[in-house]
Amino acid sequence: DVKVTQSSRYLVKRTGEKVFLECVQDMDHENMFWYRQDPGLGLRLIYFSYDVKMKEKGDIPEGYSVSREKKERFSLILESASTNQTSMYLCASGRNSYNSPLHFGNGTRLTVT
Amino acid sequence: AQSVAQPEDQVNVAEGNPLTVKCTYSVSGNPYLFWYVQYPNRGLQFLLKYITGDNLVKGSYGFEAEFNKSQTSFHLKKPSALVSDSALYFCAVRDGTKGNEKLTFGTGTRLTIIP
Repeated sequence: DVKVTQSSRYLVKRTGEKVFLECVQDMDHENMFWYRQDPGLGLRLIYFSYDVKMKEKGDIPEGYSVSREKKERFSLILESASTNQTSMYLCASGRNSYNSPLHFGNGTRLTVT
Repeated sequence: AQSVAQPEDQVNVAEGNPLTVKCTYSVSGNPYLFWYVQYPNRGLQFLLKYITGDNLVKGSYGFEAEFNKSQTSFHLKKPSALVSDSALYFCAVRDGTKGNEKLTFGTGTRLTIIP
């Protein structure tokens, strides 16, 4: 089975802190994604990556950046955390194919105080 | 732009009854459609997909979905609901036009099966 591992289940950070969310997948997938999940808004795409060192903006990239130095690892960075970034963050990976489903990690619930 | 609508935030069904979770979509190219389920404190799990071919697709845990091109719908169904089916369900669409890899999700429908 594909395993997508997010390093933290729960995080509490202060406003203005730099925050790193880490994600690792073990199936050699080309594509990796970061979503945030908020009640009533569903999943919204923040950033995605098709290959090492490549990244593309999703629908809500403002206030975030990403890093993909190795194929299996995709990091989401909040340069200066704000309270409106309190959310559930979901990492996903998938093959570079239109009909391939995504595989999700269990999520990181981030609270910014 | 592609989009997905799940018109019901909450669906309640008695155990043993058939269930339907509704989804409609909008894409400019060929729709690739997916259903995912999310249990509490977990990530999303893939249930089933429609890419091409038979309009009725079968997936995990006894779920199935019917693709209707004229109504641009992809409703999730199960003949007999179980309490363990209670979860949050997401419909998603990807435009099959080459070069568009993004998957767009609906806002989710919370399904509650009443014993």
